[in-house]
Amino acid sequence: QKEVEQNSGPLSVPEGAIASLNCTYSDRGSQSFFWYRQYSGKSPELIMFIYSNGDKEDGRFTAQLNKASQYVSLLIRDSQPSDSATYLCAVPPLAGGTSYGKLTFGQGTILTVHP
Amino acid sequence: GAVVSQHPSWVICKSGTSVKIECRSLDFQATTMFWYRQFPKQSLMLMATSNEGSKATYEQGVEKDKFLINHASLTLSTLTVTSAHPEDSSFYICSARQGSGYGYTFGSGTRLTVV
Repeated sequence: QKEVEQNSGPLSVPEGAIASLNCTYSDRGSQSFFWYRQYSGKSPELIMFIYSNGDKEDGRFTAQLNKASQYVSLLIRDSQPSDSATYLCAVPPLAGGTSYGKLTFGQGTILTVHP
Repeated sequence: GAVVSQHPSWVICKSGTSVKIECRSLDFQATTMFWYRQFPKQSLMLMATSNEGSKATYEQGVEKDKFLINHASLTLSTLTVTSAHPEDSSFYICSARQGSGYGYTFGSGTRLTVV
């Protein structure tokens, strides 16, 4: 089982709809999570960081974390064509570990928002 | 916010030559630098982790003699692809972290094409 798993998609939604992206993780001790957006040919940019159970909202983006079920999701409301990108879920290392601080990335979900 | 400047943004080189990619943290001290490689339609693959003043730690399967990493100062890390071959053509991305906090700042990436 991969440490961080995402549905690779592609996920296609119409403009204005809600896009829902999911990520599951295997280490029950993981405490915090990142969502990155990556446009084709560009490097990842941070969208959300969440560490508490429940929802965290930032503009049109909402991250949802459920530690008991070991999943974290990203909702994009009022999706726009400019949201079309690959979305990467990433998990930082546990405190005190020996992984030198490296992030563990999921394989990414390709989102396409069509007009 | 934290900025990492990565150069060059793209480079074309002949097979057998070496290419150096540079990442500079502009407004913070990058105690740890991560180097990733990304092939088309794939997620980021960590190549190595370097801490300032120490030897880099390479991921399994990454040739340390081929991908030379230097992290001589808190603001500069370089990746040299030695004796490059067409199969080394990829998108290389650096990511810097200051201390043990959760701030990971990505460079803009370097598109390497070996002909």
